[in-house]
Amino acid sequence: NAGVTQTPKFQVLKTGQSMTLQCAQDMNHEYMSWYRQDPGMGLRLIHYSVGAGITDQGEVPNGYNVSRSTTEDFPLRLLSAAPSQTSVYFCASRGQVDNQPQHFGDGTRLSIL
Amino acid sequence: QKEVEQDPGPLSVPEGAIVSLNCTYSNSAFQYFMWYRQYSRKGPELLMYTYSSGNKEDGRFTAQVDKSSKYISLFIRDSQPSDSATYLCGFNDMRFGAGTRLTVKP
Repeated sequence: NAGVTQTPKFQVLKTGQSMTLQCAQDMNHEYMSWYRQDPGMGLRLIHYSVGAGITDQGEVPNGYNVSRSTTEDFPLRLLSAAPSQTSVYFCASRGQVDNQPQHFGDGTRLSIL
Repeated sequence: QKEVEQDPGPLSVPEGAIVSLNCTYSNSAFQYFMWYRQYSRKGPELLMYTYSSGNKEDGRFTAQVDKSSKYISLFIRDSQPSDSATYLCGFNDMRFGAGTRLTVKP
């Protein structure tokens, strides 16, 4: 049971570098989302997608891009990393019906120096 | 006023104690209420889910929702060291509390 798989688990970047956080799910879920988790602030929604080819912004989208070319994959791109983007990033997925709770990956810990 | 407020703790209890975890919210549009458990260096995992006022029980866990007061609680009976984790409340699976760190000591 793979569920939601995130890679890499850890990453250190320098300010200004770009990178892509990978997320894949094998549950055929239409809805996928990205969160960042910071101490004292809980999970905050960055971007989400309700299906292939459809994405939308969440609560804190600035500095991040997403695309959804397949049902399975939902990568998150940092265009020019900033120290404020140091965080733990979680990808999640769920079925299309609104009231279904989400399944989370184990996160990517990102440090930006 | 924050949309969701959760006491961050930390909370430390002896094994066998009853634990009460709480969140308040201000958004009347919240209709679905979740509790997630998150172990260190892991993603949140769903523990309890409800959409109505009242109590929902699952083994040692009871979720309580009071929509009129905009208040939700999670009770853990006969707490075990394996319950040591951070507990997050969730609303419509889009807004989350900051989490309460719980330690159950043997």
